[in-house]
Amino acid sequence: DAKTTQPTSMDCAEGRAANLPCNHSTISGNEYVYWYRQIHSQGPQYIIHGLKNNETNEMASLIITEDRKSSTLILPHATLRDTAVYYCIATDRYGNKLVFGAGTILRVKS
Amino acid sequence: NAGVTQTPKFQVLKTGQSMTLQCAQDMNHEYMSWYRQDPGMGLRLIHYSVGAGITDQGEVPNGYNVSRSTTEDFPLRLLSAAPSQTSVYFCASSSSGGSSYEQYFGPGTRLTVT
Repeated sequence: DAKTTQPTSMDCAEGRAANLPCNHSTISGNEYVYWYRQIHSQGPQYIIHGLKNNETNEMASLIITEDRKSSTLILPHATLRDTAVYYCIATDRYGNKLVFGAGTILRVKS
Repeated sequence: NAGVTQTPKFQVLKTGQSMTLQCAQDMNHEYMSWYRQDPGMGLRLIHYSVGAGITDQGEVPNGYNVSRSTTEDFPLRLLSAAPSQTSVYFCASSSSGGSSYEQYFGPGTRLTVT
């Protein structure tokens, strides 16, 4: 699986969009980008995944660059409950054997 | 649906003791896995199973055994606990088919080995 690089931490004001970047310059053509988050030592929670097209669901949007070397997770209106560690993972289509890095600590502040 | 359940929530063991961490899911998922998370670190894959009767090793399998006799259950056995196995253990499951590849994680078991 390709290695991903994320900033250690980010702050975001409540109600504003949170944009979390991820670099995956060595991603292969059949690897997907998955995002999970972990709130206060709970089990990780799936957010979204994509291959090359932008994706949106009820939680977030995923923007993948055309060359697929980087992506951005967007939480459109961050709330205090979105404070968590966010993990960007490049893996196969089925997303089963996940390799977690250190992730990005997102702090949403009022 | 209860989702993925794990027992116990907390456990303290002495070095050399053995125990089994339980994991069960009621979503009829084929794929199940175990991860450990050390303080300040991401999760690491210990063992996984693609269906009943089939298991395989992940990134950090040493010191752990698994078996998968039913679709619902995937227990993790510590044969002889060591302080290095102090960690939080998460079980996860997912469906191998369909269009959704979301993994569902349990609440975790916090294990301390003294």
